[in-house]
Amino acid sequence: GEDVEQSLFLSVREGDSSVINCTYTDSSSTYLYWYKQEPGAGLQLLTYIFSNMDMKQDQRLTVLLNKKDKHLSLRIADTQTGDSAIYFCAESAIGGSARQLTFGSGTQLTVLP
Amino acid sequence: NAGVTQTPKFQVLKTGQSMTLQCAQDMNHEYMSWYRQDPGMGLRLIHYSVGAGITDQGEVPNGYNVSRSTTEDFPLRLLSAAPSQTSVYFCASSYLTGNYNGYTFGSGTRLTVV
Repeated sequence: GEDVEQSLFLSVREGDSSVINCTYTDSSSTYLYWYKQEPGAGLQLLTYIFSNMDMKQDQRLTVLLNKKDKHLSLRIADTQTGDSAIYFCAESAIGGSARQLTFGSGTQLTVLP
Repeated sequence: NAGVTQTPKFQVLKTGQSMTLQCAQDMNHEYMSWYRQDPGMGLRLIHYSVGAGITDQGEVPNGYNVSRSTTEDFPLRLLSAAPSQTSVYFCASSYLTGNYNGYTFGSGTRLTVV
C-alpha cells in the first residue's frame, strides 16, 4: 500500500530557512499536501501541489516536488517562532476514493530564538 | 460558518464503556472521514463516507462503527472501549468533485480509556 515517510524532528534558529522533507511510494499520487498542526488543534492545510508541477511558491512557503524520486519538500523562509508546529505531508491517489489521504508521521519543527 | 465541529473535546472512559464521538460539517461536503492520531504514527484512517447512506472501512476500523444518515453528520461509535483506543480523534471532510482544496479538519477529541 501507500507509504509516506518524514523525519520526526527538525530544529532551526529564528530567521533561518526550514526545509522539511517527505518521501512517498505511490507513483499514482495526483495531489501532495502539507498540513500544519499547532498544539491542541486540528490540522490546517498549508499548501498543495499537483503531481504535474515541480514547484509551487506561496509567500514564505516553497514546495518542491521531484516526481522521479518521489520526494516532496517544504521550505519555510525566514522561520518565525509562530512556525513551531507539527508539519504533515500527505498524498492522494487515483483509484478507490480519490479523496483518501495517506499521511506521514509528521515532523515536529522547533524554532529556537 | 463553523466548518467541522467535533464534540466532546475531551473524554475519559472506563474500559468496556461505549460512547459516540460527534462530527458535523456545514459546508455540504460529500466526503467525511475519521482519523486517529497517535505519537509517531501520523494519522490513521478509521472509517470514511462518500455520501449519506454510504460508509466504508479504513486502515484501523476494528472496535469502531459509523453511520451517515445525513450529509452533515458522521458520528463515530466506540462499542466497548479499550485502553488501546486512547488517542486523539479527528474528523475531516471535503468535496468529492470540482475544485479540490484538501480536507477541512475538526479540532479533535482527546479520548482516554482507563
